[in-house]
This record gives sequence, structure tokens and C-alpha cells, in this order.
Amino acid sequence: DAGITQSPRHKVTETGTPVTLRCHQTENHRYMYWYRQDPGHGLRLIHYSYGVKDTDKGEVSDGYSVSRSKTEDFLLTLESATSSQTSVYFCAIREGGSGPEQFFGPGTRLTVL
Amino acid sequence: AQSVTQPDIHITVSEGASLELRCNYSYGATPYLFWYVQSPGQGLQLLLKYFSGDTLVQGIKGFEAEFKRSQSSFNLRKPSVHWSDAAEYFCAVLQTGANNLFFGTGTRLTVIP
Repeated sequence: DAGITQSPRHKVTETGTPVTLRCHQTENHRYMYWYRQDPGHGLRLIHYSYGVKDTDKGEVSDGYSVSRSKTEDFLLTLESATSSQTSVYFCAIREGGSGPEQFFGPGTRLTVL
Repeated sequence: AQSVTQPDIHITVSEGASLELRCNYSYGATPYLFWYVQSPGQGLQLLLKYFSGDTLVQGIKGFEAEFKRSQSSFNLRKPSVHWSDAAEYFCAVLQTGANNLFFGTGTRLTVIP
């Protein structure tokens, strides 16, 4: 158990509304990631963080922003949600010095109507 | 461009039969290689990983995988499948020094009694 929680676990929202998803970890890992999972695409990296206030873009970052003001929290924001952002969102952590493997949270299912 | 191919979208096996799930990657150097499993509605759990050394790696739940450099493959195997192995399996690749895990599109495993 990598000590990762995501909130909310399910959300339904309307097109054009802002949405923030939260990832919380309990073990002070340096690296945190946001992925989205869509049928036929596997998981794709949206943004990642390598420390407090240090973030970078991933493969599918358009329409998303992130913030990390504390080690334990990594927030993903959809400024103006669109139907194409309907997906399952996974947060992951990497333990830093011990190896490159990533461990995943339980996911958030987001539906944009 | 990096890519990960899982050619089998869906595989059905009988309980007790052997299993092999295929994974091929396209990358210039030997990357880090992973297999993850996802049960319905759950997050991804790391089954096993390959970084270097012995090309046959053992993982959890009785799974193993073999890295074949000449074929750019990292196939997952299990000698005797259990009904609880029914899930979706993802192969993933990480470039050395990078942060972006590239995932295949997944193979859904159905186990019949």
C-alpha cells in the first residue's frame, strides 16, 4: 500500500465548469504524477511533479493545470471542463531513491456532461 | 517515437491453463519494463519489473516475465491461471532518466471454469 488517496472518487459535472481533483500521499515521496485512462489508449501522463512547486507537462497536458504547495498534495485542475475530459484519472507516486517504479492510487472517475 | 504494443485486446483461458500475454516496445535502448494488473474499478497494481540483469523476472501472484532484447519483447507468463487472475493487464515502459511511463493499451483476461 503506497498510502495514496484520491478525492473525489466519482464526479459528474457540466461542460464549462472548473473541476479540481486531489491526490494525497502519506509517505513524503518526491515524485507525483497524474494520468488519464481511456479505452484504447491505456494510461497517458498529464502532468508530474518532482517537488513542492516543481511541475512539468506530460503527453496530454492541454486543458489541465496542476499545483503542489505541499509535499503530500498534488492537485489537478480542469479550468473549463469539456466532454473530451471524461475519463478515469489516476494519481501515482514514485519513491525516489529506491527505484523508478510508480505506484498508483485508486482513481477518480470524472464524467463531463 | 516510443510505443508499447499489446497485440491481444482480449484473451480467454480456462482455469488451470497456462497464460502468456505479449508486449513489444519500440525504443532505442533498453528501458525499464513493467507489468501492472487492474481489477475492475480498481487502481493499477505492480506485478513485476525489469531493470537489468537476469532476463527472467519473478513477480507477485505467481507471475513471471521474460525480457528478450532481440525481439524487443517483455511477455508475461503464468503456468496455471486462477479465476482471481481475471483482470486487465498493462505493459509499461520507462525511458532511463525520464518520468513518462508509456503504457500499452491493455489485455483483458477472462478466466473460464
